[in-house]
Amino acid sequence: ETGVTQSPTHLIKTRGQQVTLRCSSQSGHNTVSWYQQALGQGPQFIFQYYREEENGRGNFPPRFSGLQFPNYSSELNVNALELDDSALYLCASSQPGRQQETQYFGPGTRLLVL
Amino acid sequence: AQRVTQPEKLLSVFKGAPVELKCNYSYSGSPELFWYVQYSRQRLQLLLRHISRESIKGFTADLNKGETSFHLKKPFAQEEDSAMYYCALALTSGTYKYIFGTGTRLKVLA
Repeated sequence: ETGVTQSPTHLIKTRGQQVTLRCSSQSGHNTVSWYQQALGQGPQFIFQYYREEENGRGNFPPRFSGLQFPNYSSELNVNALELDDSALYLCASSQPGRQQETQYFGPGTRLLVL
Repeated sequence: AQRVTQPEKLLSVFKGAPVELKCNYSYSGSPELFWYVQYSRQRLQLLLRHISRESIKGFTADLNKGETSFHLKKPFAQEEDSAMYYCALALTSGTYKYIFGTGTRLKVLA
């Protein structure tokens, strides 16, 4: 069983640019969630994708968008980057209906916006 | 609004002492609650979930709906328990949401 992987591990962008982060879910999982974790904070839920459709969303503006592909991998896109977008971005996969929504996390992508 | 509160940023205890990490939630529906742990240089991982009523690594957590709490307890702390602990609430009816607390760093001193 393969765990959740994310790429890249680190990224530096400048304000106003766009970024795409990638996530491969754990094998057998059809649901992917994305989180933003600022320094010293808990993960903040951005959104979840289930079978290629957005299934839920946290309090993030529309410039945060996502995609899920038929193989259940996922992308997080952030447009018009702001300095406050600097954070660790976590992807987690799960299999709803089993294991009561347990999230399996990737190692994260650390984004720095200058 | 739905919320998870972990009032302590840092909790230091001596090895062998009891541990209680506090978690309170705000949600009018039926909660699904979890504790996640992050050891140094490792990814965030599930420790336990309330529905399973299990004990993992000696830790237990009881859901108290009256006090809207889900505190994590261990009778005798070990040095290897030192880690960051997050309480989380899953909202699965209607629009899906997953809410984490801000976390408590547990340091177990020798």
